[in-house]
Amino acid sequence: GAVVSQHPSWVICKSGTSVKIECRSLDFQATTMFWYRQFPKQSLMLMATSNEGSKATYEQGVEKDKFLINHASLTLSTLTVTSAHPEDSSFYICSARRLASTDTQYFGPGTRLTVL
Amino acid sequence: QKEVEQDPGPLSVPEGAIVSLNCTYSNSAFQYFMWYRQYSRKGPELLMYTYSSGNKEDGRFTAQVDKSSKYISLFIRDSQPSDSATYLCAMSNFGNEKLTFGTGTRLTIIP
Repeated sequence: GAVVSQHPSWVICKSGTSVKIECRSLDFQATTMFWYRQFPKQSLMLMATSNEGSKATYEQGVEKDKFLINHASLTLSTLTVTSAHPEDSSFYICSARRLASTDTQYFGPGTRLTVL
Repeated sequence: QKEVEQDPGPLSVPEGAIVSLNCTYSNSAFQYFMWYRQYSRKGPELLMYTYSSGNKEDGRFTAQVDKSSKYISLFIRDSQPSDSATYLCAMSNFGNEKLTFGTGTRLTIIP
């Protein structure tokens, strides 16, 4: 159990376009999902925490108008990178936490975004 | 000083050796400790999850937590080439959803 999927696994887009990444918990309900980005050979950087049915909480320095997060159901959260630029190219990873309060986070396989 | 310190490596060991990976931390409020394995271009995979001090064993993997020293370890016995990956330690406070990660240690098992 505790499988998290992401779609797409990779995407290439032109500068100025928007890209939507989906994160799904396949076999459990997740009240909370997290979005991270990871640069090569670096650790994960938390971007935002998403709770089902409420607005996401963004980490300091993360532009909420650029990285739109929607958590519409207990199994789906989306991250939309608006007006993407080359500096937004990165590996985006989501994670989900089960309803049990002491449980940990289970990660998706990641989405590699390349902005040309 | 970072909240969680982890030697980035790279660490190379021969197949069959015992591997020891470590993290130190400064926040005494951390109570949940995790080890994740991340293969290149993949998301982290949860390996071990422990609460407070003590040992936990799962197959070839053993996690140790020493809260008095603020030190956690992951031991891999009979290491295999398939264990070659980056290993991330992570920890959190009670009731705090956020994880604080180490920088990760790149491990290579040499056949």
